[in-house]
Amino acid sequence: EIVLTQSPDTLSLSPGERATLSCRASQSVSSYLGWYQQKPGQAPRLLIYDAANRATGTPARFSGSGSGTDFTLTISSLEPEDFALYYCQQRSNWPLTFGGGTKVEIK
Amino acid sequence: EVQLVESGGGLIQPGGSLRLSCAASGFRISGKYMGWVRQAPGKGLEWVSAIYSDGAAAYADSVKGRFTISRDNSNGTVWLQMNSLRGEDTAVYYCAKVLLPWYFDLWGRGTLVTVSS
Repeated sequence: EIVLTQSPDTLSLSPGERATLSCRASQSVSSYLGWYQQKPGQAPRLLIYDAANRATGTPARFSGSGSGTDFTLTISSLEPEDFALYYCQQRSNWPLTFGGGTKVEIK
Repeated sequence: EVQLVESGGGLIQPGGSLRLSCAASGFRISGKYMGWVRQAPGKGLEWVSAIYSDGAAAYADSVKGRFTISRDNSNGTVWLQMNSLRGEDTAVYYCAKVLLPWYFDLWGRGTLVTVSS
């Protein structure tokens, strides 16, 4: 099973600041990594797929990068609605696995 | 409106069975891959099962042999039959549509399954 480790656990930032979230895989997943956003009481929402492709409706301030074992989700300038939990997920190997999540909170 | 609606959750005793349903509206599920993802209270996301358009299925090791996923394309419904339930199966269960294998781009609101005596 591929283990995805997200860091940091919590990111405390102010609106307008840049957020950088990390996801590291225990073995290469090529570019087969996605990112989801989840707000309290809501289902997750797909933001990025295959490392760098924005899903339909994802604002341009969200960008993804990386390949192999190291991936980054960047939010260029945090909007109030961006404060949430973020999960990475790999589709390279069965079983599909998710990272433990990074919480982006208001500082 | 394009949406997925789960039902069938509830309180069940350990060892019991439940059948979750996922009804799609606003689109046809035929030709689409579908899946179930769960989230234990206060915890992260865990993939449970996935079903190809032809009905072939995949399962997480934690549920293999106990859970069965199935689909009815004509009715636009996906099911998750859960047997021999354990306390660790307590979670919100989300049904989701696959964008491209295997990311989930449309999610239901989830149904809560609580396994407790």
